[in-house]
Amino acid sequence: DQQVKQNSPSLSVQEGRISILNCDYTNSMFDYFLWYKKYPAEGPTFLISISSIKDKNEDGRFTVFLNKSAKHLSLHIVPSQPGDSAVYFCAASTWGGKLTFGQGTILTVHP
Amino acid sequence: ETGVTQSPTHLIKTRGQQVTLRCSSQSGHNTVSWYQQALGQGPQFIFQYYREEENGRGNFPPRFSGLQFPNYSSELNVNALELDDSALYLCASSPGTGRGRGSGANVLTFGAGSRLTVL
Repeated sequence: DQQVKQNSPSLSVQEGRISILNCDYTNSMFDYFLWYKKYPAEGPTFLISISSIKDKNEDGRFTVFLNKSAKHLSLHIVPSQPGDSAVYFCAASTWGGKLTFGQGTILTVHP
Repeated sequence: ETGVTQSPTHLIKTRGQQVTLRCSSQSGHNTVSWYQQALGQGPQFIFQYYREEENGRGNFPPRFSGLQFPNYSSELNVNALELDDSALYLCASSPGTGRGRGSGANVLTFGAGSRLTVL
């Protein structure tokens, strides 16, 4: 039972353009959502998060949108940079520390 | 401020053997969680330790066990290894109060992982 799904295994974007990564969830008890990125041979690194009481959170080039009625969240990266190339995981939580992750999306940003 | 460190980075075992993986949490973090990441998948929650006690467990059999020490470091033990146990094992720490909520409890700092291969 995949409670958090990232349906796009990969995404390729030109440098300077917008990258949009999507994530769907099924468990309505999730109340906190996060995005992590992972480079090869490193652990996942926290990127940005959002509480279920909000619908948008911004941090520099990164914005996360939450649509609770659709059980959908997305991560926007503007402008995309080659250094953003990594695997991006969305994750959801019902209580602290127990994160349910999606399968990941490989983002490639071309110069 | 040191991050989360894990050892060993790579190891190879055979079916039926036992393995112990170690984790030092980030300074100031008192909660440790362990995750298993199979190839091509996202990390999957194994269990969490807070104040040296198991504080929650995912869908893993009892042969997966752990410990947390007074300095908040932790061990993951897996007995009777199976081929499907081959994976990257990630340790994560947080400053949360066990099953807290919000960013303090949910923003985890991950180590680079221990890659286990079972032959």
